[in-house]
Amino acid sequence: EVQLVESGGGLAQPGGSLRLSCAVSGFTVSANSMSWVRQAPGKGLEWVSVTYSGGNTNYADSVKGRFTISGDNSKNTLYFQMNSLRVEDTAVYYCARGDQWLVDWGQGTLVTVSS
Amino acid sequence: DIQMTQSPSTLSASVGDRVTITCRAGQRITSYLNWYQQKPGKAPKLLIYAATNYQSGVPSRFSGSGSGTDFTLTISSLQPEDFATYYCQQTYGSPRTFGQGTKVEVK
Repeated sequence: EVQLVESGGGLAQPGGSLRLSCAVSGFTVSANSMSWVRQAPGKGLEWVSVTYSGGNTNYADSVKGRFTISGDNSKNTLYFQMNSLRVEDTAVYYCARGDQWLVDWGQGTLVTVSS
Repeated sequence: DIQMTQSPSTLSASVGDRVTITCRAGQRITSYLNWYQQKPGKAPKLLIYAATNYQSGVPSRFSGSGSGTDFTLTISSLQPEDFATYYCQQTYGSPRTFGQGTKVEVK
């Protein structure tokens, strides 16, 4: 059974950092494209980042240079290092399998950036 | 960025109704268009990929059509579990952009 379980969300101050984790079972992270999508409270979906099986990565302009997507093959886990957080980064963050279409999703983890 | 515009933003319908949601891309995206369903407090669920292809397990009352810039998601006979918000997403260009969503609510 495919499962994606996010963790690491919480309250952070503007300028602070958080690292999100997405623990995966049922498929191999390194063999798939993996994406992060976020949803601000009461708002729509926003694509944020993708990592490809070959190692390439891509980011939305809104997070480029501040956020880093990576994977740990030994733990079959996807990570999202978020630095220099802004109030507007407040959202539920979802990890998902895929890039051309997002087949499997985690339950999401809430990141709140506030002083 | 490729802008995706859905219409309507809100749709009031009754069980058994035929429902149509439209998604328009700001430029040609061939068939790189997906549809997702999201219920409150839940993760989105993939319904249709590459404009017309059903994701495994999706009921046949859902269908997708279109290519180029204009796309449609149709629910042939609305069921109680279909009241939700629907999003289109283009994956022709980067960043992958979503429409603003269409909320299907009870009439």
